[in-house]
Amino acid sequence: AQSVTQPDIHITVSEGASLELRCNYSYGATPYLFWYVQSPGQGLQLLLKYFSGDTLVQGIKGFEAEFKRSQSSFNLRKPSVHWSDAAEYFCAVGGSAGGTSYGKLTFGQGTILTVHP
Amino acid sequence: DAGVTQSPTHLIKTRGQQVTLRCSPKSGHDTVSWYQQALGQGPQFIFQYYEEEERQRGNFPDRFSGHQFPNYSSELNVNALLLGDSALYLCASSWGLAGESSYNEQFFGPGTRLTVL
Repeated sequence: AQSVTQPDIHITVSEGASLELRCNYSYGATPYLFWYVQSPGQGLQLLLKYFSGDTLVQGIKGFEAEFKRSQSSFNLRKPSVHWSDAAEYFCAVGGSAGGTSYGKLTFGQGTILTVHP
Repeated sequence: DAGVTQSPTHLIKTRGQQVTLRCSPKSGHDTVSWYQQALGQGPQFIFQYYEEEERQRGNFPDRFSGHQFPNYSSELNVNALLLGDSALYLCASSWGLAGESSYNEQFFGPGTRLTVL
């Protein structure tokens, strides 16, 4: 069964500082990996995704993530955080095409990001 | 281009009652997935509908049922409501179940906040 672990429930950074949010996944084959952001009272917005190929993927709002198969990780990074980045961030894994869990996203518990001015 | 829409925005029910939530997919999408997001948790996959049939189901009891209409809109029904059913219910839409080499992105609606008293 696929699973996702986000070890950090809450992270606080200062505006302008760098950010790294951790994500570890468990999946039997090559996973499809995603990072979503959720602002209070809002739905989920996709930041970036990894399907195959280059292990460093670029997303919207200046975010990037690196897929490391050996560590089963897909950490999200941003070099300089803005106050508007304060939100909750979710890592998710999706089943590969042809698999029994295709089309189903499994999410981590989320990391709440607080940004201090 | 309208995104995924959900109704109602908020709903309050009492234990034992039944509830119906509605979702209209993004234009051009034909697949709808439903997720339950309890407070402080990541979304959990309930089920997915494609071509008016349930294609995938998560670990939810039979009290949770759904339907997809010919115009691709969908309903989520929950019978015999429990206090633990209080959550944000998210609908996501995508195009098709995809082929062997692609994964169609799921776009999320803003959700319906269900409170069971």
